[in-house]
Amino acid sequence: QQQVKQSPQSLIVQKGGISIINCAYENTAFDYFPWYQQFPGKGPALLIAIRPDVSEKKEGRFTISFNKSAKQFSLHIMDSQPGDSATYFCAAQETSGSRLTFGEGTQLTVNP
Amino acid sequence: SAVISQKPSRDICQRGTSLTIQCQVDSQVTMMFWYRQQPGQSLTLIATANQGSEATYESGFVIDKFPISRPNLTFSTLTVSNMSPEDSSIYLCSVMTDYYGYTFGSGTRLTVV
Repeated sequence: QQQVKQSPQSLIVQKGGISIINCAYENTAFDYFPWYQQFPGKGPALLIAIRPDVSEKKEGRFTISFNKSAKQFSLHIMDSQPGDSATYFCAAQETSGSRLTFGEGTQLTVNP
Repeated sequence: SAVISQKPSRDICQRGTSLTIQCQVDSQVTMMFWYRQQPGQSLTLIATANQGSEATYESGFVIDKFPISRPNLTFSTLTVSNMSPEDSSIYLCSVMTDYYGYTFGSGTRLTVV
């Protein structure tokens, strides 16, 4: 049973554009929502994360928007660059030390 | 954050054989995790390995197929036993580095022929 649903599966954006990836969850016990970035041949690396007590978190060009009532969260990449081309995974976690539940992943391609 | 060294980085194996993957961490960690990532797919947790106790396996994964060792707080191995082409995947080691954070190794890309 997929507890975190991610869309789109793939995304193509022009350089300088905004990339938006969406995730929805069902388990209301989740209280930590990280995004991971994975380049080919590498393991996933933590990009940015949010707790449900805030609606938005921004780190440089990367922003998470969180809608607790809708049980949705999204990643926005502003001024997308070719170097951002990677696979992005949203994830959710119930408590510290508990397992991560991953979304299906989004393959982002930023064209120059 | 912790640095994970995973070996081998890739291997091509004959069906019916076994491969042991090593995960070395540069600091002591309580919990280590093993994931499988099939081509173009998301990550699936295989098992959680705590030092001094038996590994805890997720539904669909069994110890006979994926035996895990955790001899100390910086090292773990995952063995993929009696391999078939369906075992061709990327296998990733992960550790919990702080209250919520996880760090992943670069993975072992396994091809079974």
